[in-house]
Amino acid sequence: DAKTTQPNSMESNEEEPVHLPCNHSTISGTDYIHWYRQLPSQGPEYVIHGLTSNVNNRMASLAIAEDRKSSTLILHRATLRDAAVYYCILTPGNTPLVFGKGTRLSVIA
Amino acid sequence: EPEVTQTPSHQVTQMGQEVILRCVPISNHLYFYWYRQILGQKVEFLVSFYNNEISEKSEIFDDQFSVERPDGSNFTLKIRSTKLEDSAMYFCASSEGQGIGTEAFFGQGTRLTVV
Repeated sequence: DAKTTQPNSMESNEEEPVHLPCNHSTISGTDYIHWYRQLPSQGPEYVIHGLTSNVNNRMASLAIAEDRKSSTLILHRATLRDAAVYYCILTPGNTPLVFGKGTRLSVIA
Repeated sequence: EPEVTQTPSHQVTQMGQEVILRCVPISNHLYFYWYRQILGQKVEFLVSFYNNEISEKSEIFDDQFSVERPDGSNFTLKIRSTKLEDSAMYFCASSEGQGIGTEAFFGQGTRLTVV
């Protein structure tokens, strides 16, 4: 499986934008970039996914580097409810999700 | 909004006992999964299930584990003879398919404590 590297933790102020990085230098051409998050005491939750182009949805934006070796999940205005572990996962789409350690995001009021 | 439901939320069992964890996936979904998360560790894949059979399983999913879809709505994980190291949160998930853009929906989990 292609591997991802994420910072262990990040901190943000409430109402500020947050940029969560993910490196995936060994990504293959068929790998999609998925982001999930896990709020405290809950199951993982889908956030967004993309292949080559930047993507936006109601939760977040995904910016993908031109060479696809890195991507950034952008939360436009962090709220206290966004405090969670964020997982960047590569998958060709026909295999189950494999979770790494993710980035623990803390949001400060 | 449709959701994956898991019962019970917390199960305590004695070592060596059998446990069955239950899940009701989202009704039109075709793929079903079990994951587990030992306290403080990452979410680990156990097994995926499609068309009434296991489609993929991890090394963790040994002969002590089994899955079943006994009717049109439930999806169960059975651990035959529990060990202390089986203590973990167990998450069920389902998805419409297994292709691109098919998001997996996870339940709230069952906390299994083996004593």
